[in-house]
Parts: sequence; structure tokens; C-alpha cells
Amino acid sequence: AQSVTQPDIHITVSEGASLELRCNYSYGATPYLFWYVQSPGQGLQLLLKYFSGDTLVQGIKGFEAEFKRSQSSFNLRKPSVHWSDAAEYFCAVAPGTNDYKLSFGAGTTVTVRA
Amino acid sequence: KAGVTQTPRYLIKTRGQQVTLSCSPISGHRSVSWYQQTPGQGLQFLFEYFSETQRNKGNFPGRFSGRQFSNSRSEMNVSTLELGDSALYLCASSSGTSGATDTQYFGPGTRLTVL
Repeated sequence: AQSVTQPDIHITVSEGASLELRCNYSYGATPYLFWYVQSPGQGLQLLLKYFSGDTLVQGIKGFEAEFKRSQSSFNLRKPSVHWSDAAEYFCAVAPGTNDYKLSFGAGTTVTVRA
Repeated sequence: KAGVTQTPRYLIKTRGQQVTLSCSPISGHRSVSWYQQTPGQGLQFLFEYFSETQRNKGNFPGRFSGRQFSNSRSEMNVSTLELGDSALYLCASSSGTSGATDTQYFGPGTRLTVL
């Protein structure tokens, strides 16, 4: 079955420290991959997306993600977190070229401590 | 450019009632998708409309329906509400012409509480 897994439910990180959020997918072919962020009471904002080409993609707010086909992973990273990065992060996939249906992971809540 | 707007932002209903939620996409966008977000099931795709036609549908019962108007505004309707329908309902808009490479822009959601 097709699935998206975010193994970490909650991560706490100190301000200024690095952050890595894990995402694994299970699909027959390379899907279209996305990372979204949701702040409390807000909708989802796209951080970055990967379709093909360079496996390291840069996004907004200083985030980047690396696609690793051999590990079926698309992990999100930020070198130095800010208190404003506290939010819930969702990995998502669209299984096909013409598919607008996004399948989301369960999300990872990030807490930033001073 | 105005973002995606959803009305109302909050709604309280009782079991058995029906509810209609509205979504106005970004100007020029023709695709609107709806998602249900709950603590237990996470984010789940309901359906997607493009040019007034439903193009994709998720695995929800027939009590959940939607439509899209000629100005691309979309409504979703839930009939015979159940307690489990309490959720944040998000809509997302996109151009609808570039497939999965389209960026989907999400609205703030409508928080539905069923008592």
C-alpha cells in the first residue's frame, strides 16, 4: 500500500541548533514530494517540493530537503532554527503526474526552546 | 494577490444536521481541493474540483459532497453530521493545469465542531 511515514511525532530543539525531520514514502515509482508547515490556527504553507533533478532542494525560510531514492526518504533540514520555526511539519506526496491528491504523513511537531 | 479564503472560520453543529463550507480560491486558480484534518486520522483528501467538475475523490462516504461554481468558488456539504466529522476542513487552490507540479495554496480552514 502507498504510504508516507514521519517517524518522529515530536521533536524539541534549542534555538540556533540544527533540525532534521524524517520522511519515508512507499510508492511504486518516484512520487512528487512536498514539505508543508502549519502554525497553530493556520493553514498549510509549502516549504519546498521535489519532482526531479538535483536531489537537494532549497525552500523558503532557510529549509532544504534531500531526496534519497535508495532509502525512499525525503528529509527536511535547517542548519539553525529560530523560535518562529515552532510548528507542525508535514511531508506529503502526490503519486502521479496528473494527480492533485496529496497524501500526508502524520506530521512532526517541533518545539523550540530558548 | 489575495490568498485562499474560507468561510466560516468556526462552526458548531449538532448531530444529524447538515453543514455547508465555502472556499474562494486565489484569483485565476481553477482547481480547488478539500482536506479533512483530525487528530486521529491526520490530513485526508476529500475531493478536487476543476472547472466545475470533480476530478479526484477520496475515500469518504457519500454524506460528503462538493461543488464548484463558474467563478471557481467551491462549497463542500456534509449531511447527517456525526461526532466524528468534527475536524478542521482545509481547502487548497492551484492553477489546475500543471498536475502534481502545481503548488497548492491552503486556506486557514474551517473548524467544525459537532455536538
